Amino acid sequence: DSGVTQTPKHLITATGQRVTLRCSPRSGDLSVYWYQQSLDQGLQFLIQYYNGEERAKGNILERFSAQQFPDLHSELNLSSLELGDSALYFCASSVGPFSYEQYFGPGTRLTVT
Amino acid sequence: ILNVEQSPQSLHVQEGDSTNFTCSFPSSNFYALHWYRWETAKSPEALFVMTLNGDEKKKGRISATLNTKEGYSYLYIKGSQPEDSATYLCAFINNAGNMLTFGGGTRLMVKP
Repeated sequence: DSGVTQTPKHLITATGQRVTLRCSPRSGDLSVYWYQQSLDQGLQFLIQYYNGEERAKGNILERFSAQQFPDLHSELNLSSLELGDSALYFCASSVGPFSYEQYFGPGTRLTVT
Repeated sequence: ILNVEQSPQSLHVQEGDSTNFTCSFPSSNFYALHWYRWETAKSPEALFVMTLNGDEKKKGRISATLNTKEGYSYLYIKGSQPEDSATYLCAFINNAGNMLTFGGGTRLMVKP
Protein backbone atom coordinates (compact mmCIF):
# COMPACT_ATOMS: atom_id res chain seq x y z
CA ASP A 1 0.00 0.00 0.00
CA SER A 2 1.63 3.24 -1.22
CA GLY A 3 -0.51 5.52 0.93
CA VAL A 4 -2.05 7.17 -2.14
CA THR A 5 -5.77 6.63 -2.46
CA GLN A 6 -7.94 6.98 -5.53
CA THR A 7 -11.69 6.89 -5.89
CA PRO A 8 -13.63 5.40 -7.46
CA LYS A 9 -11.89 2.15 -8.41
CA HIS A 10 -14.12 1.61 -11.40
CA LEU A 11 -16.34 3.94 -13.37
CA ILE A 12 -18.60 3.13 -16.28
CA THR A 13 -20.23 5.98 -18.12
CA ALA A 14 -21.58 6.94 -21.53
CA THR A 15 -20.08 9.04 -24.28
CA GLY A 16 -20.62 12.75 -23.85
CA GLN A 17 -20.74 12.54 -20.07
CA ARG A 18 -18.47 14.15 -17.49
CA VAL A 19 -16.74 12.40 -14.60
CA THR A 20 -14.48 13.37 -11.71
CA LEU A 21 -11.66 11.21 -10.42
CA ARG A 22 -10.30 11.86 -6.98
CA CYS A 23 -6.85 11.37 -5.50
CA SER A 24 -5.54 11.78 -1.96
CA PRO A 25 -1.74 11.93 -1.77
CA ARG A 26 0.44 10.38 0.91
CA SER A 27 0.61 12.38 4.09
CA GLY A 28 3.27 15.07 3.69
CA ASP A 29 3.48 14.90 -0.10
CA LEU A 30 2.94 18.22 -1.85
CA SER A 31 3.11 17.06 -5.48
CA VAL A 32 0.37 15.19 -7.28
CA TYR A 33 0.65 13.73 -10.77
CA TRP A 34 -1.99 12.27 -13.09
CA TYR A 35 -1.25 9.58 -15.66
CA GLN A 36 -3.30 7.74 -18.26
CA GLN A 37 -2.75 4.21 -19.44
CA SER A 38 -4.89 3.22 -22.40
CA LEU A 39 -4.88 -0.15 -24.16
CA ASP A 40 -3.01 0.99 -27.24
CA GLN A 41 -0.56 3.30 -25.52
CA GLY A 42 1.87 3.11 -22.66
CA LEU A 43 1.78 5.26 -19.60
CA GLN A 44 1.24 8.92 -20.47
CA PHE A 45 1.87 11.87 -18.18
CA LEU A 46 -1.09 14.23 -18.01
CA ILE A 47 -0.46 16.94 -15.44
CA GLN A 48 1.37 17.79 -12.20
CA TYR A 49 0.39 20.00 -9.29
CA TYR A 50 2.66 21.18 -6.53
CA ASN A 51 1.20 22.69 -3.38
CA GLY A 52 -1.95 23.77 -5.14
CA GLU A 53 -0.39 25.15 -8.32
CA GLU A 54 -0.09 23.59 -11.75
CA ARG A 55 3.60 22.86 -12.37
CA ALA A 56 3.77 20.78 -15.52
CA LYS A 57 1.49 19.75 -18.30
CA GLY A 58 1.85 16.71 -20.48
CA ASN A 59 -0.44 15.14 -23.03
CA ILE A 60 -3.65 16.35 -21.43
CA LEU A 61 -6.61 17.00 -23.69
CA GLU A 62 -8.47 20.30 -23.50
CA ARG A 63 -11.57 18.35 -22.43
CA PHE A 64 -9.67 17.31 -19.30
CA SER A 65 -8.86 19.54 -16.36
CA ALA A 66 -7.46 19.07 -12.91
CA GLN A 67 -6.95 20.92 -9.69
CA GLN A 68 -5.29 20.49 -6.33
CA PHE A 69 -7.16 21.73 -3.30
CA PRO A 70 -5.82 23.37 -0.11
CA ASP A 71 -5.90 20.00 1.68
CA LEU A 72 -3.70 18.73 -1.21
CA HIS A 73 -6.15 16.23 -2.60
CA SER A 74 -6.59 16.46 -6.35
CA GLU A 75 -9.39 15.90 -8.81
CA LEU A 76 -9.19 15.12 -12.50
CA ASN A 77 -12.25 16.17 -14.47
CA LEU A 78 -12.94 14.49 -17.79
CA SER A 79 -15.73 15.95 -19.92
CA SER A 80 -17.42 15.24 -23.27
CA LEU A 81 -16.17 11.70 -22.89
CA GLU A 82 -15.31 9.65 -25.93
CA LEU A 83 -14.81 5.92 -26.31
CA GLY A 84 -11.07 6.51 -26.61
CA ASP A 85 -10.95 7.99 -23.11
CA SER A 86 -11.47 4.51 -21.69
CA ALA A 87 -8.29 3.87 -19.74
CA LEU A 88 -6.69 3.33 -16.37
CA TYR A 89 -6.00 6.65 -14.69
CA PHE A 90 -3.26 6.71 -12.07
CA CYS A 91 -2.50 9.36 -9.53
CA ALA A 92 0.91 9.56 -7.92
CA SER A 93 2.36 11.77 -5.24
CA SER A 94 5.81 12.84 -4.09
CA VAL A 95 7.34 15.09 -1.48
CA GLY A 96 8.58 17.57 -4.06
CA PRO A 97 8.76 17.99 -7.80
CA PHE A 98 10.18 15.59 -10.38
CA SER A 99 13.47 14.70 -8.72
CA TYR A 100 11.68 12.84 -5.95
CA GLU A 101 10.28 9.30 -5.88
CA GLN A 102 6.67 9.06 -6.89
CA TYR A 103 4.20 6.79 -5.14
CA PHE A 104 1.35 5.54 -7.28
CA GLY A 105 -2.22 4.97 -6.25
CA PRO A 106 -4.20 1.87 -7.29
CA GLY A 107 -5.77 3.63 -10.27
CA THR A 108 -9.29 4.30 -11.49
CA ARG A 109 -10.51 2.17 -14.37
CA LEU A 110 -12.76 4.30 -16.62
CA THR A 111 -14.92 2.62 -19.21
CA VAL A 112 -16.82 4.81 -21.66
CA THR A 113 -19.62 3.02 -23.51
CA ILE B 1 7.74 14.59 -28.51
CA LEU B 2 10.79 13.25 -26.71
CA ASN B 3 12.27 9.93 -27.76
CA VAL B 4 12.70 7.66 -24.75
CA GLU B 5 13.41 4.10 -25.79
CA GLN B 6 13.84 0.94 -23.83
CA SER B 7 15.45 -2.25 -25.03
CA PRO B 8 14.78 -5.05 -25.26
CA GLN B 9 10.96 -4.90 -25.31
CA SER B 10 10.82 -8.27 -23.59
CA LEU B 11 13.22 -10.70 -22.04
CA HIS B 12 12.90 -14.30 -20.87
CA VAL B 13 15.54 -15.54 -18.45
CA GLN B 14 16.02 -18.52 -16.16
CA GLU B 15 15.96 -18.20 -12.41
CA GLY B 16 19.45 -17.32 -11.23
CA ASP B 17 20.47 -15.53 -14.42
CA SER B 18 21.68 -11.96 -14.21
CA THR B 19 20.25 -9.57 -16.72
CA ASN B 20 20.30 -5.96 -17.77
CA PHE B 21 18.32 -3.63 -19.97
CA THR B 22 18.68 -0.14 -21.37
CA CYS B 23 16.83 3.15 -21.34
CA SER B 24 17.93 5.69 -23.97
CA PHE B 25 16.93 9.33 -23.74
CA PRO B 26 17.90 12.72 -25.20
CA SER B 27 21.35 13.63 -23.87
CA SER B 28 20.52 17.33 -23.89
CA ASN B 29 17.96 18.86 -21.55
CA PHE B 30 18.37 16.21 -18.88
CA TYR B 31 16.92 16.79 -15.41
CA ALA B 32 16.17 13.39 -13.91
CA LEU B 33 15.50 9.77 -14.79
CA HIS B 34 13.15 7.48 -12.91
CA TRP B 35 13.02 3.69 -12.95
CA TYR B 36 9.82 1.88 -12.03
CA ARG B 37 8.87 -1.74 -11.56
CA TRP B 38 5.33 -2.56 -12.68
CA GLU B 39 3.74 -5.90 -11.94
CA THR B 40 0.65 -6.98 -13.78
CA ALA B 41 -2.59 -5.74 -12.15
CA LYS B 42 -0.66 -3.54 -9.74
CA SER B 43 0.58 0.05 -9.74
CA PRO B 44 4.08 1.15 -10.77
CA GLU B 45 6.54 1.06 -7.91
CA ALA B 46 9.48 3.46 -7.78
CA LEU B 47 12.90 1.85 -7.91
CA PHE B 48 15.33 4.71 -8.44
CA VAL B 49 15.48 8.42 -9.14
CA MET B 50 18.74 9.38 -10.82
CA THR B 51 19.86 12.93 -11.32
CA LEU B 52 23.64 13.08 -11.71
CA ASN B 53 25.87 11.81 -14.50
CA GLY B 54 27.70 8.76 -13.22
CA ASP B 55 25.04 7.99 -10.59
CA GLU B 56 24.94 4.39 -9.47
CA LYS B 57 22.08 3.23 -7.27
CA LYS B 58 21.37 -0.12 -5.71
CA LYS B 59 18.40 -1.74 -4.02
CA GLY B 60 18.96 -5.36 -3.08
CA ARG B 61 19.74 -7.31 -6.25
CA ILE B 62 18.74 -4.44 -8.53
CA SER B 63 21.09 -1.63 -9.50
CA ALA B 64 21.14 1.16 -12.05
CA THR B 65 23.70 3.41 -13.69
CA LEU B 66 23.30 6.71 -15.48
CA ASN B 67 25.23 8.34 -18.32
CA THR B 68 23.66 11.70 -19.14
CA LYS B 69 26.37 12.69 -21.63
CA GLU B 70 25.53 9.83 -23.97
CA GLY B 71 21.90 9.55 -22.95
CA TYR B 72 21.44 6.11 -21.44
CA SER B 73 20.77 4.29 -18.22
CA TYR B 74 21.20 0.60 -17.47
CA LEU B 75 19.18 -1.44 -15.03
CA TYR B 76 20.81 -4.62 -13.74
CA ILE B 77 19.20 -7.51 -11.91
CA LYS B 78 21.57 -10.00 -10.29
CA GLY B 79 20.40 -13.58 -9.81
CA SER B 80 16.89 -13.09 -11.21
CA GLN B 81 14.02 -14.63 -9.27
CA PRO B 82 10.49 -15.41 -10.50
CA GLU B 83 9.18 -12.55 -8.35
CA ASP B 84 11.29 -10.15 -10.44
CA SER B 85 8.92 -10.82 -13.35
CA ALA B 86 7.43 -7.44 -14.20
CA THR B 87 7.64 -4.58 -16.65
CA TYR B 88 10.47 -2.17 -15.94
CA LEU B 89 9.79 1.39 -17.01
CA CYS B 90 12.07 4.37 -17.24
CA ALA B 91 10.83 7.96 -17.29
CA PHE B 92 12.84 10.96 -18.51
CA ILE B 93 12.30 14.43 -17.11
CA ASN B 94 13.53 17.42 -19.07
CA ASN B 95 15.57 20.22 -17.58
CA ALA B 96 12.68 22.64 -17.64
CA GLY B 97 11.23 20.21 -15.10
CA ASN B 98 7.93 20.39 -16.86
CA MET B 99 7.65 17.19 -18.84
CA LEU B 100 7.91 13.53 -18.02
CA THR B 101 8.12 10.96 -20.79
CA PHE B 102 7.99 7.21 -20.25
CA GLY B 103 9.80 4.62 -22.30
CA GLY B 104 7.83 1.69 -23.65
CA GLY B 105 9.10 -0.62 -20.92
CA THR B 106 11.00 -3.90 -20.82
CA ARG B 107 8.91 -6.89 -19.88
CA LEU B 108 10.96 -9.37 -17.90
CA MET B 109 9.84 -12.96 -17.37
CA VAL B 110 11.88 -15.17 -15.06
CA LYS B 111 11.28 -18.91 -15.37
CA PRO B 112 11.75 -21.09 -12.28
